[in-house]
Amino acid sequence: DQQVKQNSPSLSVQEGRISILNCDYTNSMFDYFLWYKKYPAEGPTFLISISSIKDKNEDGRFTVFLNKSAKHLSLHIVPSQPGDSAVYFCAAVTKYNFNKFYFGSGTKLNVKP
Amino acid sequence: DTEVTQTPKHLVMGMTNKKSLKCEQHMGHRAMYWYKQKAKKPPELMFVYSYEKLSINESVPSRFSPECPNSSLLNLHLHALQPEDSALYLCASSQEEARTYEQYFGPGTRLTVT
Repeated sequence: DQQVKQNSPSLSVQEGRISILNCDYTNSMFDYFLWYKKYPAEGPTFLISISSIKDKNEDGRFTVFLNKSAKHLSLHIVPSQPGDSAVYFCAAVTKYNFNKFYFGSGTKLNVKP
Repeated sequence: DTEVTQTPKHLVMGMTNKKSLKCEQHMGHRAMYWYKQKAKKPPELMFVYSYEKLSINESVPSRFSPECPNSSLLNLHLHALQPEDSALYLCASSQEEARTYEQYFGPGTRLTVT
C-alpha cells in the first residue's frame, strides 16, 4: 500500500521556466513532508521540507506548497536550470515514527537548455 | 561537516563471499539508517539505529547483518547474498530529536552480486 504517490514519472521543462512536481498522500497522520533530489550514482540530497501546520515554505528558487484538504503537495522550481535535472522524491513522516520515511516513486525532471 | 561517507564506492562479490559496507558521519546525529535502492525505485528502508541500538528492522533477510560500533559508525555485514541483492546501498543519518526530521544520505555503495 503506497501511502505517498508521485504520478508523473517524468517532466520536461525549458530552462528559465517553472517546474512543478506533484506528490499525493493518503495518510492524514503525516506531520512533515520533504523533497529530495537525486543525481545518478549519488545519494539523495535534502532540498526543502514543510510542516503540516504550514501551507508554504520557500527557499531561494524552491517553494513547497501543501494542501492538507486535498492531501497534495507540490514543489515549484523557478527559474529552472539545467543543473536541476535529476530525480525528485517526496517523502512523508509522522511524529510518532519519525525515523520511517514514506517515499514517493520519484519524478525525473529534465530541464532543457 | 554535513557529510555522510560510505566505503567502498563499488563492490562486486560472489554468492559465497563475506563483505562489509561502512558508513561514517560526524554531525553528532544519533540515528543512522541503511537503505537499499534499485534502479528507478525510491530508497527502501532496511534498518534504523537509534542511540546505537537497533530500533527498526524492516524484515530484512538474515544474510544482511547491521552493526553500530559507536555513534559515528554504521556497518552492514553481507554474507551469502543473492544476485537480486544487487543494488545501491545508502546510509543516512539524522538528529534523533523529533523537531527536525531531515535525513542526510551518503553517496552509496553500488553492490553487484555475481
